[in-house]
Amino acid sequence: GEDVEQSLFLSVREGDSSVINCTYTDSSSTYLYWYKQEPGAGLQLLTYIFSNMDMKQDQRLTVLLNKKDKHLSLRIADTQTGDSAIYFCAENRGFQKLVFGTGTRLLVSP
Amino acid sequence: GAVVSQHPSRVICKSGTSVKIECRSLDFQATTMFWYRQFPKQSLMLMATSNEGSKATYEQGVEKDKFLINHASLTLSTLTVTSAHPEDSSFYICSARSTVYTEAFFGQGTRLTVV
Repeated sequence: GEDVEQSLFLSVREGDSSVINCTYTDSSSTYLYWYKQEPGAGLQLLTYIFSNMDMKQDQRLTVLLNKKDKHLSLRIADTQTGDSAIYFCAENRGFQKLVFGTGTRLLVSP
Repeated sequence: GAVVSQHPSRVICKSGTSVKIECRSLDFQATTMFWYRQFPKQSLMLMATSNEGSKATYEQGVEKDKFLINHASLTLSTLTVTSAHPEDSSFYICSARSTVYTEAFFGQGTRLTVV
């Protein structure tokens, strides 16, 4: 199958906003997800957006969805050092099957 | 959210032996469980999907005789890596879904090292 693409690396300073981008492939995906993975750990669901929405805000997180371009982004406001991790977008293909992006490593420096 | 527990978190085994990894949904019934493999600095690759009480569906390129998956109950799935070799060393992660939740919940992962 085709890859779900993300930029590999993002470095920001503490207090700045971070924007992580994702290009997905399946226009019929019902939900799109953002997960966070800390070193040596499993995945933590951060947020998700239904495909008929353009935007979803959840505290410091804002998800934007452009269905025409199959582009998804995650904005983290007031980024903290504890936000340093790998972030994966994921789309569902078919019933219940998740396909993950290539992952973006976010480094937040003090 | 719901909790998925994966055990063990780390295992080292000798080449040629078999290793079993357990994935449990602690507070919900998981109608479907997924097993992923993650190489260092890479994304998660789906290995197989299992529904309770039926045979697992394996992704293309995954050897079903090498990676045995059992989903005998609504709260437990196991992955057995048979006759492990060093190239099987990886991070294995399970996830579980139910009809109640929109999202899948992930276990903590198992770091397998075959020496």
